Amino acid sequence: GEDVEQSLFLSVREGDSSVINCTYTDSSSTYLYWYKQEPGAGLQLLTYIFSNMDMKQDQRLTVLLNKKDKHLSLRIADTQTGDSAIYFCAESILISGGYNKLIFGAGTRLAVHP
Amino acid sequence: DTEVTQTPKHLVMGMTNKKSLKCEQHMGHRAMYWYKQKAKKPPELMFVYSYEKLSINESVPSRFSPECPNSSLLNLHLHALQPEDSALYLCASSPDRGTYEQYFGPGTRLTVT
Repeated sequence: GEDVEQSLFLSVREGDSSVINCTYTDSSSTYLYWYKQEPGAGLQLLTYIFSNMDMKQDQRLTVLLNKKDKHLSLRIADTQTGDSAIYFCAESILISGGYNKLIFGAGTRLAVHP
Repeated sequence: DTEVTQTPKHLVMGMTNKKSLKCEQHMGHRAMYWYKQKAKKPPELMFVYSYEKLSINESVPSRFSPECPNSSLLNLHLHALQPEDSALYLCASSPDRGTYEQYFGPGTRLTVT
């Protein structure tokens, strides 16, 4: 079945690194995504990684993928108060007709304190 | 430009009302999506349109009626909703069907009274 799990809450000090973890179950996932949602807002695509990659870096963001363990992580370097938000991990599932369905985790609420 | 716009931002409607949500993108994307997000929950897929044709309906009740008048516009018509339908309705688009990144709009927060 399709299931994506994340820890629900993470608290970090400003300037430290944050690491948000995610596990997924569908081994046929081709892409995995990280989305950010600020209060009352829509989802902002932060980054994504193709399933044959181990790592992807984009400025302060580093995504690590362990396909064997079906584990995905997002590291945010030098975390700032503006990074406080809910972070959703999502896997893409190809469904009938070749369409792409995103299965989201429950979201990790990141709180950054001074 | 990776912008998807949605109107209205907020909507309050009674159970006997008929209203519509609108979504627009000008990125030339050919796949568009409606998601529903209940409070403190992740988004859940409702509908997928590809090349202006309804391709996926995730067993959504008929009181939700999607429409794609052209390749840039996606509407969601609402009729006889229930209070439990109150949620954030998110529109998304992607370049095509298949494995592509999806870009989301800011959502319409719907309250059914």
